This record gives sequence, C-alpha cells and structure tokens, in this order.
Amino acid sequence: NAGVTQTPKFQVLKTGQSMTLQCAQDMNHEYMSWYRQDPGMGLRLIHYSVGAGITDQGEVPNGYNVSRSTTEDFPLRLLSAAPSQTSVYFCASSYLVLAGLQNTGELFFGEGSRLTVL
Amino acid sequence: AQKVTQAQTEISVVEKEDVTLDCVYETRDTTYYLFWYKQPPSGELVFLIRRNSFDEQNEISGRYSWNFQKSTSSFNFTITASQVVDSAVYFCALSDSNTGANSKLTFGKGITLSVRP
Repeated sequence: NAGVTQTPKFQVLKTGQSMTLQCAQDMNHEYMSWYRQDPGMGLRLIHYSVGAGITDQGEVPNGYNVSRSTTEDFPLRLLSAAPSQTSVYFCASSYLVLAGLQNTGELFFGEGSRLTVL
Repeated sequence: AQKVTQAQTEISVVEKEDVTLDCVYETRDTTYYLFWYKQPPSGELVFLIRRNSFDEQNEISGRYSWNFQKSTSSFNFTITASQVVDSAVYFCALSDSNTGANSKLTFGKGITLSVRP
C-alpha cells in the first residue's frame, strides 16, 4: 500500500547544482502536482499534470521543470539550485474530480522532501 | 485570481474547549470547491473534507463540523471538545472547475492550533 512515494526525504545542495525530486504513485491517479511549503506561506503550487504528456505551471514555477512520461511518475527538476528554493516539497496525486461525480477530490500527499540550498 | 485567507495564524486552547478556525475565500468562478487539510507535527498532510460550491449544507463528522456560507465567502471549521491530538496546522484550500475540481488548489497560509492538556 505505497500511495505516493517521494525521494529523497532530505537533500542538501550547493547553489548552482541541479537535482531531481522523484515522485511515484501507484493509485492510477490522473492528476499529479508539486507544492512547496515555506514557513508562514502555506503550500504553493509549482507545477501540475492532468495526465501523461500534459503539464502546466502553478503559482511558483520559475526554476523548476517537470515532465510526465507515465501515469505513475512526476519528477521535479531543479536546474540550478538557489537558496530561495530551500523548502519542503510535497508531491500530491488524485483522481480528477469531474462535476457531478461523487469523488471526494482528496489529494494524496507524499511525506515531503526537505531541501536545503547553501 | 483565487485567494484563501486564514486570518488567524495561531490559536491556543485548553483541552475540551470548542474552537473555530476561520476561512475566507475569493473566486470569480461560479463553480468551485473548498477543502480542509490537517498537518500534524509529524508533517504529513491529511484530507478532512471537500465542499462543492453548489452544496451549501453544513457537515458534521464526529467532533468536526464545517459551516459553508456563500453569502460571506466563508468555510469555517469547528472542533468541538478539542483534544491534544487535534494540535496541528490546518489549511483551507480552494480550486475551480477549469481542469478538474482538484487541480490548481490554492491554499491558505494555515492556522497553527495548539491544544493544551
């Protein structure tokens, strides 16, 4: 019963380094997304995807890339890490909620990845 | 643009007190969806409820109840007889129906609830 799996859980980077946060879900969810959580800021949407091959930007996309080649995986790439990207990152997935259906629309979150950029 | 305001940042109560967490939202859409999530000290995010804009019925689940009022754009959350295990950060969130009801979820900044024994 894996749900949403994020790796790594902790990472320290130097400014300018690149890395990929991995996210995988085994619930056959169409929708996947990445959020970052900063103190006093709540959760802010970085990128999201409504299916394989489809991605779109959220509120704070700059400095991040995503791709969705399979239903299961939605990696988040930091191309050139900056101290402002120090944060806790959450991957989330769900079924798409369509009007009229009783699906709760619950987002299933991973456990989070704490990233520090020095 | 969508916006969710949780004006209360921190609330501290004594166990068994009732507590209400406020949420005010802004959206231009006529169809939208409201959510509450809980983040306990362990850090995971736990879904509590989703409410559709076209369903204004209030909801009760055990000690939890939600009051949705479109007239005031509010979706408040009340915990009755609070317990220490209710200590957490609570997020209110909003999405519209453009790309599925749960895409582009906008979260409030969260309310830190501390329940003292």
